[in-house]
Amino acid sequence: GQQLNQSPQSMFIQEGEDVSMNCTSSSIFNTWLWYKQDPGEGPVLLIALYKAGELTSNGRLTAQFGITRKDSFLNISASIPSDVGIYFCAGQKAAGNKLTFGGGTRVLVKP
Amino acid sequence: EAQVTQNPRYLITVTGKKLTVTCSQNMNHEYMSWYRQDPGLGLRQIYYSMNVEVTDKGDVPEGYKVSRKEKRNFPLILESPSPNQTSLYFCASTSLQGGSYGYTFGSGTRLTVV
Repeated sequence: GQQLNQSPQSMFIQEGEDVSMNCTSSSIFNTWLWYKQDPGEGPVLLIALYKAGELTSNGRLTAQFGITRKDSFLNISASIPSDVGIYFCAGQKAAGNKLTFGGGTRVLVKP
Repeated sequence: EAQVTQNPRYLITVTGKKLTVTCSQNMNHEYMSWYRQDPGLGLRQIYYSMNVEVTDKGDVPEGYKVSRKEKRNFPLILESPSPNQTSLYFCASTSLQGGSYGYTFGSGTRLTVV
């Protein structure tokens, strides 16, 4: 089945840094979503994007829906320790359709 | 509280011993789905259901069965588990009314098949 290409696979953050991750697809999606998964929990929706070119913020998180509808990125500004976790992008072709997920970006704290 | 509940959270079993992972949601959602999560592969859809008695295969259905006899429940059945089904499993649901996007996920079931 189709997968989204998400990068980087992992990253280390230092408190206060800005970080970014992105997701690309070979096909078009009409909705892009970003989820965060904490250890031992299911993914929780962070941001949903519904229109090509849309830029949406949720606190320190900003995500954009690419113009081609084949990509999206997520930025985290001024990172804090609780930002660690796995971030997943997901594409959805229509409401109620299945989500296709990227492989995830594991965010870790620099030792 | 609106939620998706999976049981058990952890399960270790032996090859070939049938097992069922239960999933229940209290949001009256029509759409329910099972995903498995493996390192580097993200979440891959196993089966989904658009409503009662309506189920269909996702991307990786081999070795799994599902049923949807009631709207709130969507159990995942492994008739003869094998070690390659060792994974983290998530149930999710969403409404098909009013253009809802994204899913609500359960907390996961970590399955080990030895």
